[in-house]
Amino acid sequence: DAKTTQPNSMESNEEEPVHLPCNHSTISGTDYIHWYRQLPSQGPEYVIHGLTSNVNNRMASLAIAEDRKSSTLILHRATLRDAAVYYCILEHPYYDMRFGAGTRLTVKP
Amino acid sequence: SQTIHQWPATLVQPVGSPLSLECTVEGTSNPNLYWYRQAAGRGLQLLFYSVGIGQISSEVPQNLSASRPQDRQFILSSKKLLLSDSGFYLCAWSGGSEQYFGPGTRLTVT
Repeated sequence: DAKTTQPNSMESNEEEPVHLPCNHSTISGTDYIHWYRQLPSQGPEYVIHGLTSNVNNRMASLAIAEDRKSSTLILHRATLRDAAVYYCILEHPYYDMRFGAGTRLTVKP
Repeated sequence: SQTIHQWPATLVQPVGSPLSLECTVEGTSNPNLYWYRQAAGRGLQLLFYSVGIGQISSEVPQNLSASRPQDRQFILSSKKLLLSDSGFYLCAWSGGSEQYFGPGTRLTVT
């Protein structure tokens, strides 16, 4: 199975942009890249996903490297409510997704 | 709109007792359904997924089982709980690329 590698933790200041990196060097051509986040004691929440092109939505932007071996989730202006564990996941057939340990984002006021 | 329900929210069970966790989805048909477990401070582990009634794929061999008796109902069971079964159990559904998670059940096996 293709796997992802993320830093264990990152810190950001409130109102500043945050770039969360993810490496997935063994990604296959049909794997989608998904990002979810999880607040304490809650289920994960969908953030964004993409295949090859960069993607934007109201929550974040996803920048995908040209060789697709890495991607970056961009929060344009971090707020205290963005403090969470962020998971980078590759989607396998039948929408099968394998969550890793993720990156714990701390946002400082 | 679609909603996903899980119950109970919390559960404390002794070692060796049975388990039944239920998940139901409203507002959609023929969803893919998933059971995950999250140990304290860890990431999510996919336990089972189902693409249709009676179709269950198991990802981790263990003393847990899953069933899908109806299109929008997914049940996680065990005949005899182990201490290692403690964790946060999450049910999710998808109809496309996104997965939507329920509120979870926090299980403590004592």
